[in-house]
Amino acid sequence: QSALTQPPSASGSPGQSVTISCTGTSSDIGYYNYVSWYQQHPGKAPKLIVYEVTTRRAGVPARFSGSKSGNTASLTVSGLQAEDEADYHCTSYAGDNNMVFGGGTKLTVL
Amino acid sequence: QMQLQESGPRLVKPSETLSLTCTVSDGSISSSGHYWGWIRQPPGKGLEWIGSIFYSRTTFYSPSLKGRVTISADKSKNQISLKVKSVTAADTAVYYCASPLGPPHGAATTWGPGMLVTVSS
Repeated sequence: QSALTQPPSASGSPGQSVTISCTGTSSDIGYYNYVSWYQQHPGKAPKLIVYEVTTRRAGVPARFSGSKSGNTASLTVSGLQAEDEADYHCTSYAGDNNMVFGGGTKLTVL
Repeated sequence: QMQLQESGPRLVKPSETLSLTCTVSDGSISSSGHYWGWIRQPPGKGLEWIGSIFYSRTTFYSPSLKGRVTISADKSKNQISLKVKSVTAADTAVYYCASPLGPPHGAATTWGPGMLVTVSS
């Protein structure tokens, strides 16, 4: 069982917006601003898209945005496109030199 | 652009030691500020941080794997190594090396392609 909780799946139609949640505790997401999000297409290595909660990696479309409220971080994908269909993983610093991941969310573009 | 490549045995017997190497090209593992990490992903499951090494000597490990894992660096070969001892079927996973990856920063911009290691007799 993963330390951070993500919904197993999410979906949306092209052009719509989808938000993926990542719930932790007051000892990880709730305390530190070291939340990152990765996109992973089948058979490929993960690709960093957002770090430090809200900072988009250079070259990542502005359609991707990160946020945090309390113990929950979120990744919003606006204007869904077919190529956004992938697995999305969140990670957070958990203190004591430990890092934790969520179980991943499979995003389907309908 | 820096590239990472994992290598090692793809099949390991239960109770034995899993050994992988990450070779860094177009970059130096000794570069100031560089830190390197290992992550694994069991088939059909999420990612799990295994551990990281800073400045080729300071190491940090996941509490769930501490005691079974060793990460080291070979500056002469520009390689990072991972050893997991006493493996079981639960250690079957795709193993990735990535950088920069280490607490508190989980924002790795460079990843190897990953390598599936199967634990089976």
